[in-house]
Amino acid sequence: AQSVTQLDSQVPVFEEAPVELRCNYSSSVSVYLFWYVQYPNQGLQLLLKYLSGSTLVKGINGFEAEFNKSQTSFHLRKPSVHISDTAEYFCAVSAGEYGNKLVFGAGTILRVKS
Amino acid sequence: ETGVTQTPRHLVMGMTNKKSLKCEQHLGHNAMYWYKQSAKKPLELMFVYNFKEQTENNSVPSRFSPECPNSSHLFLHLHTLQPEDSALYLCASSQELAVTYEQYFGPGTRLTVT
Repeated sequence: AQSVTQLDSQVPVFEEAPVELRCNYSSSVSVYLFWYVQYPNQGLQLLLKYLSGSTLVKGINGFEAEFNKSQTSFHLRKPSVHISDTAEYFCAVSAGEYGNKLVFGAGTILRVKS
Repeated sequence: ETGVTQTPRHLVMGMTNKKSLKCEQHLGHNAMYWYKQSAKKPLELMFVYNFKEQTENNSVPSRFSPECPNSSHLFLHLHTLQPEDSALYLCASSQELAVTYEQYFGPGTRLTVT
């Protein structure tokens, strides 16, 4: 069975500073990896996904993530954050043979301070 | 209306009440999902429907009863709930039931069971 661990429940950071949100997964088979963002009072929105190919994945709003198979990690990064990036971020994994079933991490709240 | 809509946005119900949550997607998708988002816990997949047929029931108690009359609408009927059922219930849809297709989420229904 797959599982996802988001190592930080909250990450405070100043505006224009870089940020990394950490995600580790466990799975016995090939995986597909996702990052979603949830703004207050809204549903989840896909930021980026890794299905295959290049291990560096670029997403919306200037975010990127790197798939590291040996470390079983899929950390999310942004070189310079804005106040509007304040939200909760979820890492998710799906194993291919389970169709579209996503297993989510507990989430990381990113708080951007001015 | 665009995307995925959910009504009501907020619901307070007693343990003996019967209520229903409604989800509608305006995207022409074929797969629909119910998720439960509890405080401090990862998002939990509850049910999956593909072309109106239920393909996944993630060991959800029978006090939750889903209904999918067509590919655009999904309901979650609630009866004799427990206080621990208080949570944000999210609906999502995707073009097809495969991991390569992005899931689009609605804003959720915040349910409080008293």
